[in-house]
Amino acid sequence: QQQVKQSPQSLIVQKGGISIINCAYENTAFDYFPWYQQFPGKGPALLIAIRPDVSEKKEGRFTISFNKSAKQFSLHIMDSQPGDSATYFCAASKEGAGSYQLTFGKGTKLSVIP
Amino acid sequence: DSGVTQTPKHLITATGQRVTLRCSPRSGDLSVYWYQQSLDQGLQFLIQYYNGEERAKGNILERFSAQQFPDLHSELNLSSLELGDSALYFCASSVSTSGGHNEQFFGPGTRLTVL
Repeated sequence: QQQVKQSPQSLIVQKGGISIINCAYENTAFDYFPWYQQFPGKGPALLIAIRPDVSEKKEGRFTISFNKSAKQFSLHIMDSQPGDSATYFCAASKEGAGSYQLTFGKGTKLSVIP
Repeated sequence: DSGVTQTPKHLITATGQRVTLRCSPRSGDLSVYWYQQSLDQGLQFLIQYYNGEERAKGNILERFSAQQFPDLHSELNLSSLELGDSALYFCASSVSTSGGHNEQFFGPGTRLTVL
């Protein structure tokens, strides 16, 4: 059972365009939704995160939109740059007996072309 | 650089063998998480340790085990290896397991190839 579904699998965006990646979750107990960025040969790195008490969070060119009723959240990358080319993972987490393990989506490979 | 170190970077071994992957968390981080990344399953949580004690288990096979030592480094032991165990193994550390969610910092990973 895939608890976090991510789409699209891959995305090609022109430089300067907007990249949008979508995720949907099933477990309403999730209360923390981070996005991770992974470059080839590297480990995932936290990009931005949101909690369900807010509908949007913006950090620079990166924005998370969160729809609690629809159990969906998305990452928007404004003014996409070639350096943003990477794989992006959405994730969800809930506290359970002092553990905050992450449940990840399958990832989106973003290519930003000049 | 996340501050989390993992060794070795690459590991090539044969089916049926046993290997140990090592992780050193960031200074001050008490919690270590292990994740497996494969093409078909994506990133999956395996197991978590907090200050030397097992805290949570995920999709970890019985052939796999882990421990966290008094100096807080952690080891993931994989035995009776099968071809399907070939994957990237990441550890991540975070500062605490109480007081809410804290950022998990991922190491560079160990790429395991089972031949």
